[in-house]
Amino acid sequence: GDSVTQMEGPVTLSEEAFLTINCTYTATGYPSLFWYVQYPGEGLQLLLKATKADDKGSNKGFEATYRKETTSFHLEKGSVQVSDSAVYFCALSGYSGNTPLVFGKGTRLSVIA
Amino acid sequence: DAGVIQSPRHEVTEMGQEVTLRCKPISGHNSLFWYRQTMMRGLELLIYFNNNVPIDDSGMPEDRFSAKMPNASFSTLKIQPSEPRDSAVYFCASSHPGPLRGYTFGSGTRLTVV
Repeated sequence: GDSVTQMEGPVTLSEEAFLTINCTYTATGYPSLFWYVQYPGEGLQLLLKATKADDKGSNKGFEATYRKETTSFHLEKGSVQVSDSAVYFCALSGYSGNTPLVFGKGTRLSVIA
Repeated sequence: DAGVIQSPRHEVTEMGQEVTLRCKPISGHNSLFWYRQTMMRGLELLIYFNNNVPIDDSGMPEDRFSAKMPNASFSTLKIQPSEPRDSAVYFCASSHPGPLRGYTFGSGTRLTVV
């Protein structure tokens, strides 16, 4: 079945550091790929998404590129802030929005001033 | 757009009691998903509906769990009887089909069974 593997956390960075969270996937067909963020005590919020190969999703300084050749969707940000501290989930879905998201285990990011 | 609305936000109940969690999806979304989140197991899909019809309930852990979607604007997840190991955050999400599909999550219900 479809699956998502993302790097284990926790990740601790100093403010203004560069962030990479690795995500790879296994899927049949042409999935859509997502990054969700969960701030403490809150639900999951869509951070960015990409629906086809070579698409780049971006939002709030974060970006990720759908790489079909390496089955990857790594999350990056050039300069993290304390407010970026959260848990980040990589996820995929089938072509239709009628199928569930398959999530990675999540990566906890802590940014210290 | 009020988003996906879940109630209650927090529920504390005694072991053996019935618990009902509620979800109102976004209008126009035709799929609804129930997830459970725990520290040990992460996010688990419990059940999902398309057009109010249950499609896959293989994630429902036991017969004590049941879910219904009587119409396009309302779903419930019921646990009867509840047990301490059911303590978790339960999320509802809805989505619309197509290449620009979006999945929107509710704020979750934090269930504590004592």
